[in-house]
Amino acid sequence: QVQLQESGPGLVKASQTLSLFCIVSGDYISSADYYWSWIRQHPGKGLEWIGYIYYGGSTYYSPSLKSRVTMSIDTSKKRFSLSLSSVTAADTAVYYCARSPYSSLRLDYFDYWGQGALVTVSS
Amino acid sequence: YQLTQPPSVSVSPGQTATITCSGDKMGDKYASWYQQKPGQSPVLVIYQDNKRPSGIPERVSGSNSGNTATLTISGTQAIDEADYYCQAWDSSLVVFGGGTKLTVL
Repeated sequence: QVQLQESGPGLVKASQTLSLFCIVSGDYISSADYYWSWIRQHPGKGLEWIGYIYYGGSTYYSPSLKSRVTMSIDTSKKRFSLSLSSVTAADTAVYYCARSPYSSLRLDYFDYWGQGALVTVSS
Repeated sequence: YQLTQPPSVSVSPGQTATITCSGDKMGDKYASWYQQKPGQSPVLVIYQDNKRPSGIPERVSGSNSGNTATLTISGTQAIDEADYYCQAWDSSLVVFGGGTKLTVL
């Protein structure tokens, strides 16, 4: 059973870049069978998908965050990352990494999630 | 694309809870459902409209037709009290519903 674990600073200053890693157990991250996504949840609010990365490095970002988001993947270190630039207080949220089975047609569902990492943006 | 869920649903123990998720031509897409308890990560409970992941009890079921996907929990128990989110894929985007708080009275 795969395990995902987010890591990174819990506090980021406004206007700086938020950076998180997601470490994936086993060899799943090297498999063509999965997408790897970042999802966030503002305090007391619902879920917001940020984007995904595929094992070969291809990415797709939500249009609402596309201008500030970069994702990368390092299969040798069994992790993928999220960078979100020019953060404001509105980026304060719990950030989750999650896995989705690959489909050529769609990103269907998220079958495994990390425990989440709270990132607070301070002024 | 928007998915609309009722903010809250209340049910008595042992009764059936029904949570809806409405979106334009939702029945033409696959619906997934997640359960989230306070302080925990979301857990997949239904995928591809009506499939249950391993470990999810049979009393949890899903359906999807027309403009509405539905999550049904039969014989609701106190452990089912949680927030539930629907999710779909539309125009190359993942979309989540706003979430429904299920209260077991």
